[in-house]
Amino acid sequence: GENVEQHPSTLSVQEGDSAVIKCTYSDSASNYFPWYKQELGKRPQLIIDIRSNVGEKKDQRIAVTLNKTAKHFSLHITETQPEDSAVYFCAAGGVKAAGNKLTFGGGTRVLVKP
Amino acid sequence: SAVISQKPSRDICQRGTSLTIQCQVDSQVTMMFWYRQQPGQSLTLIATANQGSEATYESGFVIDKFPISRPNLTFSTLTVSNMSPEDSSIYLCSVPGTSGATDTQYFGPGTRLTVL
Repeated sequence: GENVEQHPSTLSVQEGDSAVIKCTYSDSASNYFPWYKQELGKRPQLIIDIRSNVGEKKDQRIAVTLNKTAKHFSLHITETQPEDSAVYFCAAGGVKAAGNKLTFGGGTRVLVKP
Repeated sequence: SAVISQKPSRDICQRGTSLTIQCQVDSQVTMMFWYRQQPGQSLTLIATANQGSEATYESGFVIDKFPISRPNLTFSTLTVSNMSPEDSSIYLCSVPGTSGATDTQYFGPGTRLTVL
């Protein structure tokens, strides 16, 4: 089955700096790669996703890049703000034959220091 | 995206008992997913619930421990049976996005379970 590894497990950045989180996956059939943000005590919220037909996607201060050949994808947050502090999860899936299930990475705890 | 609710939002249970968690969606969905999130950990898929057929369980999860019902296209239940303290977790249901983005998943608010 799919295996997703996520690094780093914790990330501390100064407000205004950029944050980068990296994930690798094992199943070359995976073609959908979402990112979720989970604040303390809340549900995971989808913040951005990318499908295998594109290499990069941007939404305001967040962007995701995908390298299908190397089987890795990354989340980039620019001009970080204290409200970006949360746990971020990457996931891989989108395989219809597998019921479109998602496999999650271990998570990255991001702390933005004011 | 769909509006998803779960009941109860939290519960404290004694070991050896069972708890049934409900997940309700405001629109019809083909699949519903159940996840477990142990304290400080990531999300692990327990099973996929399809209407009209048996749930599909992931490795390490069995129907006797986590029976699932899916009586219609807007509702599902997950039961945590014969609980032990190791079952203390957040249990979340999720549903796919609408047509064109059915690979996306949106999560319910979760049920925080503590087993004493």
